[in-house]
Amino acid sequence: DADVTQTPRNRITKTGKRIMLECSQTKGHDRMYWYRQDPGLGLRLIYYSFDVKDINKGEISDGYSVSRQAQAKFSLSLESAIPNQTALYFCATSDFIGEQFFGPGTRLTVL
Amino acid sequence: AQSVTQLGSHVSVSEGALVLLRCNYSSSVPPYLFWYVQYPNQGLQLLLKYTTGATLVKGINGFEAEFKKSETSFHLTKPSAHMSDAAEYFCAVSEDRGSTLGRLYFGRGTQLTVWP
Repeated sequence: DADVTQTPRNRITKTGKRIMLECSQTKGHDRMYWYRQDPGLGLRLIYYSFDVKDINKGEISDGYSVSRQAQAKFSLSLESAIPNQTALYFCATSDFIGEQFFGPGTRLTVL
Repeated sequence: AQSVTQLGSHVSVSEGALVLLRCNYSSSVPPYLFWYVQYPNQGLQLLLKYTTGATLVKGINGFEAEFKKSETSFHLTKPSAHMSDAAEYFCAVSEDRGSTLGRLYFGRGTQLTVWP
């Protein structure tokens, strides 16, 4: 089984809809991250959490929120999706050094 | 905050040729350094990492990288490219101090194309 799983893998939605992307990990790491990937822009950090009670904004948190339900679960929400949030979203976990382990990604399309 | 620069968003080589992907970072303090690879329709996987010790680091699939503090560089090389190396490669640097120690900063990526 994969160490980091993401659901759904693909999602098409309409402008204004609320969307939740879920991430689970079996690595036993305290640290979890959400990134979005756009062509030519690399990975940009949306939110990160260094433990269950710690949530921090990344570079591009506007329009997103997160919930850390447990050590193993970290979900990303788009309260009111807009077309420029169309992207590939990755969840990752890490140890304290920073080596990150990535999920397979969620491809989100907002029409 | 760190910044990471990958020179060349696209690199093309012939099969069997040397692969050189460049990465420079901004930190004045030796950070932890990583190279990740992303194959089409997949997530990122670690190629290699530098934390401490030997500055020449060997990774999977014949790749290696050398940490050069004086040049703030961590270039990725492979002596002989294979068709299966075609992918996007990301350099990443960890935050080197403070409460966000361990957070990674990524370069924008280099797409490697390998011609037969």
